[in-house]
Amino acid sequence: AQSVTQPDIHITVSEGASLELRCNYSYGATPYLFWYVQSPGQGLQLLLKYFSGDTLVQGIKGFEAEFKRSQSSFNLRKPSVHWSDAAEYFCAVGINNNDMRFGAGTRLTVKP
Amino acid sequence: NAGVTQTPKFRVLKTGQSMTLLCAQDMNHEYMYWYRQDPGMGLRLIHYSVGEGTTAKGEVPDGYNVSRLKKQNFLLGLESAAPSQTSVYFCASSTRTGNYEQYFGPGTRLTVT
Repeated sequence: AQSVTQPDIHITVSEGASLELRCNYSYGATPYLFWYVQSPGQGLQLLLKYFSGDTLVQGIKGFEAEFKRSQSSFNLRKPSVHWSDAAEYFCAVGINNNDMRFGAGTRLTVKP
Repeated sequence: NAGVTQTPKFRVLKTGQSMTLLCAQDMNHEYMYWYRQDPGMGLRLIHYSVGEGTTAKGEVPDGYNVSRLKKQNFLLGLESAAPSQTSVYFCASSTRTGNYEQYFGPGTRLTVT
């Protein structure tokens, strides 16, 4: 069955440190891949997406993600975290227009 | 351009009461979705619609009904609320063609006591 796994429920990093959030998926074909961010009390905002082509994709707010087919992964990275990045991050797999599977989310805390 | 809006933002219901959540989008999107978000479970699809007058079940449809009488609106109904339906509900929309990207509303926090 198709699934999305975010192994880390909660991550704490210091402001200015680098960040990597992990995402693994289980799907037979190459899916469409997304990272969304949710600030407290808000809806989900798209950070970036991968459909095809260059496996390193750039998004908003200085985030990037790399698709690795051999590892079925789509990890999110940021070289230097800002306090405003504290939020919950969701990886999602688009299987078709009626079927988007979300991971359980990773909550990011940023220490001053 | 407001995007996706949801009404109400918060609601408290007693067990057995009914209510309707309204979702509206002004992007002329064909597809609309209702999700629920529960701690540690991400978002799960309740129902979706691929166009005016059509709806279909998602992953967790039991206890909910939906209607899409107008292209821009998607209603989610709870006929007899249960404590298990305490959740945050998100509406989303997307275009019919291409890239599956969904645009989300701000959510409705529902508590059933």
